[in-house]
Order: sequence, then structure tokens, then C-alpha cells
Amino acid sequence: AQSVSQHNHHVILSEAASLELGCNYSYGGTVNLFWYVQYPGQHLQLLLKYFSGDPLVKGIKGFEAEFIKSKFSFNLRKPSVQWSDTAEYFCAVTPTGAAGNKLTFGGGTRVLVKP
Amino acid sequence: GAVVSQHPSWVICKSGTSVKIECRSLDFQATTMFWYRQFPKQSLMLMATSNEGSKATYEQGVEKDKFLINHASLTLSTLTVTSAHPEDSSFYICSAPSRGSAQYFGPGTRLLVL
Repeated sequence: AQSVSQHNHHVILSEAASLELGCNYSYGGTVNLFWYVQYPGQHLQLLLKYFSGDPLVKGIKGFEAEFIKSKFSFNLRKPSVQWSDTAEYFCAVTPTGAAGNKLTFGGGTRVLVKP
Repeated sequence: GAVVSQHPSWVICKSGTSVKIECRSLDFQATTMFWYRQFPKQSLMLMATSNEGSKATYEQGVEKDKFLINHASLTLSTLTVTSAHPEDSSFYICSAPSRGSAQYFGPGTRLLVL
């Protein structure tokens, strides 16, 4: 079975600061990787995903993530955060294969951006 | 984009009663849907996989007789929490995969059992 680990439970930073959230997974085969965001009071939304190809993936709202296969990592980055990026961020994986594979989530990282 | 709805958005019930939560895919068909549970300040834990036309698949430790799942059509799955107790209070979220293996999540249902 796969597992996902997110290094930071809480991150506090100021506007315009750069953000990097760590995510590592363990699984014996190939995986699809995702970052989801949950804004306060809202449902989970997909930020970006990696299936194959270029390991540097760009998502919505200026976020990007890099898949490093040798490190089993899929870290999320944003060069300059805004107050509206305050949210909880979840890394998730699913084994590659047919659509509909169940997701395994990391523990989540709460990000607070101070105005 | 694909939209998944849940109803109700929140429910308060007495201990011992049963509560039904609906999950609908609004603009696409889903032969599979997933039900998650999220405790405060914790991540989502997969409870079960709902399969249209067949029995649900439950994760280890999840009581199938406690959490009844019915996937009646290609756009509707229901989760019934039977004989609810205060420890069942939680945030229940469903998801449905769309084309491309990405999943779309419902807004969640907050259950409070008194």
C-alpha cells in the first residue's frame, strides 16, 4: 500500500515570501501525484497533477511542483504568496492505471499568509 | 469543470438515529465514487469505494454495517450512517473521478451527533 508524508503541519509566512511544501511518498510502483488545496470553508480543489512527462508541473494560481523520482518527492512551490493563499494543502497519490483509483492523502499542511 | 454536490451540507441528529448523505456528480457519470472522513485538523481518510451496480469496497477498520453505501445510478451515491453515535460526528466528503484520473470533491457534509 502507498503512503504519503508531508513534512510541515503548519507554515506561517508573510505576503510575497516564497513557499515550498514538502511531500514524499512510498510505493513500489509508478504513481500519479496530486496537490489539492482546501480554502477555509470550501471543498478540496485540484491545484495540479503529475501523470508522466515533464517532472516540473505548473498548476493554477501560480503554483508548481516538481516530481523527483529518485527521492520519491513531489514538492509544491510558489515564488510569491498572497494572503489569499491561506489554506490547507494536501499531497495525494494513486497508483497509475485506470481512472478511478483511490487517493491516499498526506496529513496536510496549514499555510497562513500574513498580510 | 466537473462538479460534485453533496446533500445535506450539515446535519445534527440524536444518538441512535440514521443519517443519509447524498453525493451527486452533476455533469458527468461516475461508475466509482469515494467516501472520505475528515476529523478536525486531520487529513482525509478513505472509508470506502462506492461501485455502481455492485457492493461497495470498504477500507480496513470501517464497519460496512455501520456505514451503508448505495450507488444507485451513474450520478448518485449515498452514505447512510446507521444508529449514529457522537463518535461518528465528523466531516464526510465524497469524490468522483473524471476523465484523466483527477478526482473532483464534493463540498462535504458536517455531521454532529448529539
